[in-house]
Amino acid sequence: AQKITQTQPGMFVQEKEAVTLDCTYDTSDQSYGLFWYKQPSSGEMIFLIYQGSYDEQNATEGRYSLNFQKARKSANLVISASQLGDSAMYFCAMREYYTQSGNTPLVFGKGTRLSVIA
Amino acid sequence: EAQVTQNPRYLITVTGKKLTVTCSQNMNHEYMSWYRQDPGLGLRQIYYSMNVEVTDKGDVPEGYKVSRKEKRNFPLILESPSPNQTSLYFCASSPGTSGNEQYFGPGTRLTVT
Repeated sequence: AQKITQTQPGMFVQEKEAVTLDCTYDTSDQSYGLFWYKQPSSGEMIFLIYQGSYDEQNATEGRYSLNFQKARKSANLVISASQLGDSAMYFCAMREYYTQSGNTPLVFGKGTRLSVIA
Repeated sequence: EAQVTQNPRYLITVTGKKLTVTCSQNMNHEYMSWYRQDPGLGLRQIYYSMNVEVTDKGDVPEGYKVSRKEKRNFPLILESPSPNQTSLYFCASSPGTSGNEQYFGPGTRLTVT
């Protein structure tokens, strides 16, 4: 079973509008972290925002906010006031902190390609 | 500047010719990983290391080897590359196995013909 599901392969948004990128996750652990990364066409992975499973407040970083709904196991990324430079692939990822092996990899979704239109 | 470096950034090689992709971090991190990224599949972990001389397999280890002789370096070795190893490779490091920090290198785009 997929641990991270991003159901939107591609999204379009008008410049200056807000957009929500969906992410649902699957874990039975209590302690985990949720991450969003941006990957522009140049290829590098740019960290955007982090939400810990015990954090009560939704994380915010500038124009990025994470809409964390723990009971629904959802961690949607909201980008406000979209800019042309936001056009990129966006990946949701999860890290489970207490595993049998001790390994705590980032497990990624398949990504959403966001295109911002002028 | 805190960073993870990878070399080379781009490599085109032929089937069977051994190659090494280097990864180095300057943050004294214990935990290091290699991921590969393929279209439609996201990133998948190849190998990881929790400290010097401690390495283990991730989700897709076949055809790869790693070593961790020093804390800062975590090279990825392809003893006999094949075309199905054509991919974008990322090295990542983290201060430990918990927390909100995972630093990625810039990526190595490998093509095996």
